[in-house]
Amino acid sequence: EVKVVESGGGLVQPGGSLRLSCAASGFNFSNYNMNWVRQAPGKGLEWVSYISASSRTISYIDSVKGRFTISRDNAKNSLFLQMNSLRDEDTAVYYCARAPLGFSDHWGQGTLVTVSS
Amino acid sequence: DIQMTQSPSSLSASVGDTVTIACRTSQAIFTYLHWYQLKRGTAPKLLIYTASTLQSGVPSRFSGSGSGTDFSLTISSLQPEDSASYYCQQTYATPFTFGQGTNLAI
Repeated sequence: EVKVVESGGGLVQPGGSLRLSCAASGFNFSNYNMNWVRQAPGKGLEWVSYISASSRTISYIDSVKGRFTISRDNAKNSLFLQMNSLRDEDTAVYYCARAPLGFSDHWGQGTLVTVSS
Repeated sequence: DIQMTQSPSSLSASVGDTVTIACRTSQAIFTYLHWYQLKRGTAPKLLIYTASTLQSGVPSRFSGSGSGTDFSLTISSLQPEDSASYYCQQTYATPFTFGQGTNLAI
């Protein structure tokens, strides 16, 4: 069974940092691209970042460029999102998703990030 | 960035009805258009990819069509469990933008 499980969310003050993790199982992680997608309270889905299987291609939405860093460890079947200089508007549920051809075919349950003083 | 216009933003229907949700893009994207279902408290679910391909395990009452800039998701023979939010997304170019979503009440 394909499974992705996010962790690392929590409450952080504006300007602070968090590192989200995503543990993958049930598929050959090193062969798949991955996405991070978020949903702010009461809002729609927003794509955040993409990383190719080899980490050669990485993309971000403009609002997080220079603050967030996506990475992966194929040996440990893990995806990461390092979030620095967090802002109130980064408050959201963050989803990790497998992205075979860019679209997300398997999603986790999400991890909540709350940025508040 | 490619802008997505999804309509309607909400709709109400009855069991057994057929509904259609539209998604229009600001530039042509061939068939790089996908549809998702969100239910509160559960992981988002891929329904349709590349405009018209049904994801494995998704009931055949879900169907998608379109190419270029105009796309649609049709749900026939509505069931109570179809009550959810639906989103389109393009992956022709980054950022991989989503539509604003459609809340479907059964």
